Amino acid sequence: DQQVKQNSPSLSVQEGRISILNCDYTNSMFDYFLWYKKYPAEGPTFLISISSIKDKNEDGRFTVFLNKSAKHLSLHIVPSQPGDSAVYFCAASDSGGSNYKLTFGKGTLLTVNP
Amino acid sequence: DTGVSQDPRHKITKRGQNVTFRCDPISEHNRLYWYRQTLGQGPEFLTYFQNEAQLEKSRLLSDRFSAERPKGSFSTLEIQRTEQGDSAMYLCASSLSPTSGAFTDTQYFGPGTRLTVL
Repeated sequence: DQQVKQNSPSLSVQEGRISILNCDYTNSMFDYFLWYKKYPAEGPTFLISISSIKDKNEDGRFTVFLNKSAKHLSLHIVPSQPGDSAVYFCAASDSGGSNYKLTFGKGTLLTVNP
Repeated sequence: DTGVSQDPRHKITKRGQNVTFRCDPISEHNRLYWYRQTLGQGPEFLTYFQNEAQLEKSRLLSDRFSAERPKGSFSTLEIQRTEQGDSAMYLCASSLSPTSGAFTDTQYFGPGTRLTVL
């Protein structure tokens, strides 16, 4: 069973507009969430994280929102830039249990068009 | 901070051969992880070290796989008698144990080793 789901395999937006990437999870024990960006032939690069005691975390152009009751999180990128084009992975962990193991979604390919 | 490095970046081997990959974590990080990523999937956890102790192995890690971290610094992942199904990107990540009260640590990934088994 897939505990972290990214239901949109791809997303295309215009430069300067907002990109919204979504992620749903099923394991209620997850309490720490991360977003990674991955370019082809490279490893994932950490972007931003959020713990379950917060509902929003912001870092520059990137904001992550967490809705615990819906078991849903989203990553907003504003404004989007062509260099943001990559695969974005949502990941989650359970700090009370296997706090060392990340469970990833399948990723969303973001394309930002100039 | 030189980041996590992995060697080799690419490995092509014939079915039945043994292969070994190396990971050098960020120097002050005491935790080290191996993940495997196949096409169209996110990374999947394989195993985890805290210092030199291997604390968990995923059921994805068959008996043909072995990982070591002999001095709590670099790590090696060996696959014996490779099979075509082992073809994947093998990712290493490292992190620092969270401080008291922190939820967890942030894992930083290396560039990966792409394995192709013919």
